[in-house]
Amino acid sequence: GQNIDQPTEMTATEGAIVQINCTYQTSGFNGLFWYQQHAGEAPTFLSYNVLDGLEEKGRFSSFLSRSKGYSYLLLKELQMKDSASYLCASMDSNYQLIWGAGTKLIIKP
Amino acid sequence: GAVVSQHPSRVICKSGTSVKIECRSLDFQATTMFWYRQFPKQSLMLMATSNEGSKATYEQGVEKDKFLINHASLTLSTLTVTSAHPEDSSFYICSAKSGDTEAFFGQGTRLTVV
Repeated sequence: GQNIDQPTEMTATEGAIVQINCTYQTSGFNGLFWYQQHAGEAPTFLSYNVLDGLEEKGRFSSFLSRSKGYSYLLLKELQMKDSASYLCASMDSNYQLIWGAGTKLIIKP
Repeated sequence: GAVVSQHPSRVICKSGTSVKIECRSLDFQATTMFWYRQFPKQSLMLMATSNEGSKATYEQGVEKDKFLINHASLTLSTLTVTSAHPEDSSFYICSAKSGDTEAFFGQGTRLTVV
């Protein structure tokens, strides 16, 4: 079956670094996405990985290991506005997104 | 990134009426559009996938006669919730992609059925 696992909730301190992990099992693979979603809003695109390795984009970086079915989103220099849910999604062979349940990130001062 | 516009952002309708939600790709041709529904405190649930010019493919458990999807052009898809009931109240989100690109999301539509 198809499955995406990520932690339900994480807490971190303003200015620190946090890593949100995601493991996936999908029928075929056409990339791994990370989205940020603030309450009551649509998700916004953060990153897309289809090759192994680390992609850095400002304070956010995303890593993929296809052989391990594993990805993580790394957030540096955390700001209060980073408090949100972070959704991991794998695109399967039919180009459909299989979503994780999301990780609620709580940032404390 | 590419822009996907969803309209309306909020709608309130009476029980038994129908509501149409539009999803437009503003600066690219969307060969595929996806419609999602989000229940409170849950992840997005894919409802259906539509390719331009063909019938939508619905996910298991989604009533295709209730949620009518039309993808008549490369820039527009519509979702019509027919005979809406209070349990249809939810947050509906579309996304669109062109070929092998990533999917871009609309702003979402909050539907409240009273």
